[in-house]
Amino acid sequence: EAGVTQFPSHSVIEKGQTVTLRCDPISGHDNLYWYRRVMGKEIKFLLHFVKESKQDESGMPNNRFLAERTGGTYSTLKVQPAELEDSGVYFCASSQTSGASYNEQFFGPGTRLTVL
Amino acid sequence: AQSVTQLGSHVSVSEGALVLLRCNYSSSVPPYLFWYVQYPNQGLQLLLKYTSAATLVKGINGFEAEFKKSETSFHLTKPSAHMSDAAEYFCAVSGGYQKVTFGIGTKLQVIP
Repeated sequence: EAGVTQFPSHSVIEKGQTVTLRCDPISGHDNLYWYRRVMGKEIKFLLHFVKESKQDESGMPNNRFLAERTGGTYSTLKVQPAELEDSGVYFCASSQTSGASYNEQFFGPGTRLTVL
Repeated sequence: AQSVTQLGSHVSVSEGALVLLRCNYSSSVPPYLFWYVQYPNQGLQLLLKYTSAATLVKGINGFEAEFKKSETSFHLTKPSAHMSDAAEYFCAVSGGYQKVTFGIGTKLQVIP
């Protein structure tokens, strides 16, 4: 079974440009999460989708970030316009929904974004 | 609200020595606790998890962690360090289906 995949693995852009990150969750996983790690800091939650709906977007830093999950499958995270402080590693994770009180989140390899 | 504190952003041990990575948590609900590992140039891998069953949790690669509610701790241990254990380790807490809250990470160096 394929794991969570993310594209691209690396992206280098200039300040003011637009970048779109993509995440493909594990097939059948309704929950999809985005996280970000800025260098030297903690991995921080950005938002949580349940199918195509945003369940929790309390971690989104500002309105330059737009996340979508059309059809409840893959998700994109667009940064427009990118700023220097957006540099970091963006992780995606997915999990099932079941009757259990907890379902493990499986993480992708991350996208390393560098804004120059 | 949940938070995690990892004591020591860098830990060095000799090969064959005990590995002890410290983690304390804060949670307003019964917590689910995790240790993740990130090897160089790889993604996050779940090492072990506590989900309210046994308080001593065994994970992959010989690691284990003990949940101590009275101390709000979830320290990670391994009896004998191997060179391949060199990586960054993250302690994390969750309330179930909610977001995972991570600690700042501890980089483990294993000295031959």
